[in-house]
Amino acid sequence: DSGVTQTPKHLITATGQRVTLRCSPRSGDLSVYWYQQSLDQGLQFLIQYYNGEERAKGNILERFSAQQFPDLHSELNLSSLELGDSALYFCASSVGWHQNYGYTFGSGTRLTVV
Amino acid sequence: GDSVTQMEGPVTLSEEAFLTINCTYTATGYPSLFWYVQYPGEGLQLLLKATKADDKGSNKGFEATYRKETTSFHLEKGSVQVSDSAVYFCALSDPGDLEKLTFGTGTRLTIIP
Repeated sequence: DSGVTQTPKHLITATGQRVTLRCSPRSGDLSVYWYQQSLDQGLQFLIQYYNGEERAKGNILERFSAQQFPDLHSELNLSSLELGDSALYFCASSVGWHQNYGYTFGSGTRLTVV
Repeated sequence: GDSVTQMEGPVTLSEEAFLTINCTYTATGYPSLFWYVQYPGEGLQLLLKATKADDKGSNKGFEATYRKETTSFHLEKGSVQVSDSAVYFCALSDPGDLEKLTFGTGTRLTIIP
């Protein structure tokens, strides 16, 4: 157990729907990062929050949004889902605002859009 | 932009064989370099890292040396075990963009007894 908890582990939904993925960072970590792992794109950085504030944004679609709550857990919201959004979504956490010494990853949420 | 190129997989080796997984990178600055490992059904785990040229990262018998002249960070292990079967990702962190990691596509390694 890495200490980073992601729920749910699996999610199957239809095109056009909206889902929320949840991440609880490791105890003491203030940063949360979201990554998408797909077969054709590999691991892509989506967004980072540090202590409740958006810190960095990567290749995140406008249909996707995230937030980090006062208890430091984070949610990734995916809307108007398309077949191509099917992927593994990973959350990672780190103590500081950057990850120069490596992240701790959760075990991911597998999203299947049908 | 930054990029990481990894050896195409899958790689299949016999137990106790020598392992090399090649990784080269392109970056504007002097990045930190990482190897992550992903076991089936799990998230990525940091295996080793190096933060400057000629640094050697090591962990669990795996080693990688930061070679600035060849922009490489090849992963090696002298004698692999069945338990090393996993997907291995090379990654970099650009000092001008410390919030994110840029990953290679991953190399699936299978060790047969």
